[in-house]
Amino acid sequence: EAQVTQNPRYLITVTGKKLTVTCSQNMNHEYMSWYRQDPGLGLRQIYYSMNVEVTDKGDVPEGYKVSRKEKRNFPLILESPSPNQTSLYFCASSRSRTGAETQYFGPGTRLLVL
Amino acid sequence: GQQVMQIPQYQHVQEGEDFTTYCNSSTTLSNIQWYKQRPGGHPVFLIQLVKSGEVKKQKRLTFQFGEAKKNSSLHITATQTTDVGTYFCAGHTGTASKLTFGTGTRLQVTL
Repeated sequence: EAQVTQNPRYLITVTGKKLTVTCSQNMNHEYMSWYRQDPGLGLRQIYYSMNVEVTDKGDVPEGYKVSRKEKRNFPLILESPSPNQTSLYFCASSRSRTGAETQYFGPGTRLLVL
Repeated sequence: GQQVMQIPQYQHVQEGEDFTTYCNSSTTLSNIQWYKQRPGGHPVFLIQLVKSGEVKKQKRLTFQFGEAKKNSSLHITATQTTDVGTYFCAGHTGTASKLTFGTGTRLQVTL
């Protein structure tokens, strides 16, 4: 089954404790992206990747890191989480290298930073 | 930076009534995508429009892309309870690969 998976689905952590949210897709998609969703603000793009070893900043990259060492995986790293990073995070992938086609979203990761 | 606003933020209709959400960008878009997110779920792609003035239909849903490629609308005819959710527009500018989402319109449908 074609899908985007994220782990963990729920995470409670404390300020400053490094964490990684994994994202994997099995559709051989070129484009992968991370978004955060906050009430009243919609979805905001954090980082995106157009191919292996090619990543670029979205609208809200501060406090986040990403890597794309393999085509299927695109982990999101919070080196020193802060309470303002409490949010619902979605990973997405798209066949088009520019993302200008259907984006398939993962189920989401709900993060609470205390 | 590019901003994409949607109105209304929230709409509550009775089943059978029509519904429209509007999407307005501060800059010209190269394409517009629409997504639906059910409560507790993830966004699901509905459609993409690329051409100026383009209109596409999916059953009871009609999507329009403005002539200036800075606005778009989604119209639902005769809403059903299955239409409940938040509708987002999203667009690329030029050749940029960054995708900017609108703020979303939450639709509630009651019997």
